[in-house]
Amino acid sequence: NAGVTQTPKFQVLKTGQSMTLQCAQDMNHEYMSWYRQDPGMGLRLIHYSVGAGITDQGEVPNGYNVSRSTTEDFPLRLLSAAPSQTSVYFCASGRAGTSPGTEAFFGQGTRLTVV
Amino acid sequence: DAKTTQPPSMDCAEGRAANLPCNHSTISGNEYVYWYRQIHSQGPQYIIHGLKNNETNEMASLIITEDRKSSTLILPHATLRDTAVYYCIVRVPYSGGGADGLTFGKGTHLIIQP
Repeated sequence: NAGVTQTPKFQVLKTGQSMTLQCAQDMNHEYMSWYRQDPGMGLRLIHYSVGAGITDQGEVPNGYNVSRSTTEDFPLRLLSAAPSQTSVYFCASGRAGTSPGTEAFFGQGTRLTVV
Repeated sequence: DAKTTQPPSMDCAEGRAANLPCNHSTISGNEYVYWYRQIHSQGPQYIIHGLKNNETNEMASLIITEDRKSSTLILPHATLRDTAVYYCIVRVPYSGGGADGLTFGKGTHLIIQP
């Protein structure tokens, strides 16, 4: 059981390049999301999905696109990278249901540098 | 989500109990206290949660005051691997465990000293 897997772990992009950060989970979770974490800051929500075919914006969505064609995968696309998008990106997943014990599971992160 | 206040950093000797405080004076009756931690360069990890009773699991204990305005996370025998940033989050239980919107503040940086 791998949990939440993010690829790549590290990436350097030039300004204006595009790329896709991959996220896959094998826990059959309905909820998936992307966060970014800048140095010395907490995590900020970029986009999230409550199921296949359903996505919505979080706190900082500009410059990022997402789609959710399967339950397992939730890729994050940068169409034209900017230095302001230099950050560590975390993917998370969670099971639907409001049981208090429901927890969010996070991937190990992708460290992105835009030069 | 109710606002929380945590000290920015704390030290603890290896093998001793680490007690991490969290103030949440505006907590409402249906909000739970959740703790996550983030070891350097890794994704956050769930630790424990509670409503009003003290809770214990294999990782930690959570003590919530009777008025629920503050709580303490206790790591009973801290090891060097417990060095991390610890986040206290107060919220109602969300579907998806909050994967669609956990609010992480700056947390407490706990440093375990050898």
